[in-house]
Amino acid sequence: AQKITQTQPGMFVQEKEAVTLDCTYDTSDQSYGLFWYKQPSSGEMIFLIYQGSYDEQNATEGRYSLNFQKARKSANLVISASQLGDSAMYFCAMRTSYDKVIFGPGTSLSVIP
Amino acid sequence: DTGVSQDPRHKITKRGQNVTFRCDPISEHNRLYWYRQTLGQGPEFLTYFQNEAQLEKSRLLSDRFSAERPKGSFSTLEIQRTEQGDSAMYLCASSIKGLNTGELFFGEGSRLTVL
Repeated sequence: AQKITQTQPGMFVQEKEAVTLDCTYDTSDQSYGLFWYKQPSSGEMIFLIYQGSYDEQNATEGRYSLNFQKARKSANLVISASQLGDSAMYFCAMRTSYDKVIFGPGTSLSVIP
Repeated sequence: DTGVSQDPRHKITKRGQNVTFRCDPISEHNRLYWYRQTLGQGPEFLTYFQNEAQLEKSRLLSDRFSAERPKGSFSTLEIQRTEQGDSAMYLCASSIKGLNTGELFFGEGSRLTVL
């Protein structure tokens, strides 16, 4: 069965520090994609970063990077230099080979000044 | 084109009533997705379309839920005989098949409260 697991319900990080949010996934597909979305308290879903299963290099977008370990089926999000505005829910998601997209349960990140 | 729009934004109904939500995706997007989200949880997959074809419906959904995308543009999600457990935010998202990332663009959601 295809599934996303995020084992950290809540995380705290000091402002300006880096933080890693964990994501593991389960799929038998050879071709798939992994996303991270941010959902602030306002409720909008904001796309952060994408990694394709055949991409050899880890994806980076500004302060966001995705630590992709295919053999371990993990796709952790690293946020560098945390800012107060990073406080939000973060969701890991997977696009299957049939383009179905499923989400994990999320991690609540709180940035402490 | 300003993005994915959903209507209504809020719906309060009594148990047993039927409700319908509408989603207008970004115009050139051929994929459309529906999710349900409750407070503090991740979006739960309900169903998705490519153009007018419904590709999959979640097995978790009862027969009270139905979705259509009749002309491959807007979509409707209907819930019949609503129950209090149906109270949630219903999110619609769209994407383009074949785009490099295939990222989903989300609407602002339709919040349902069943009394």
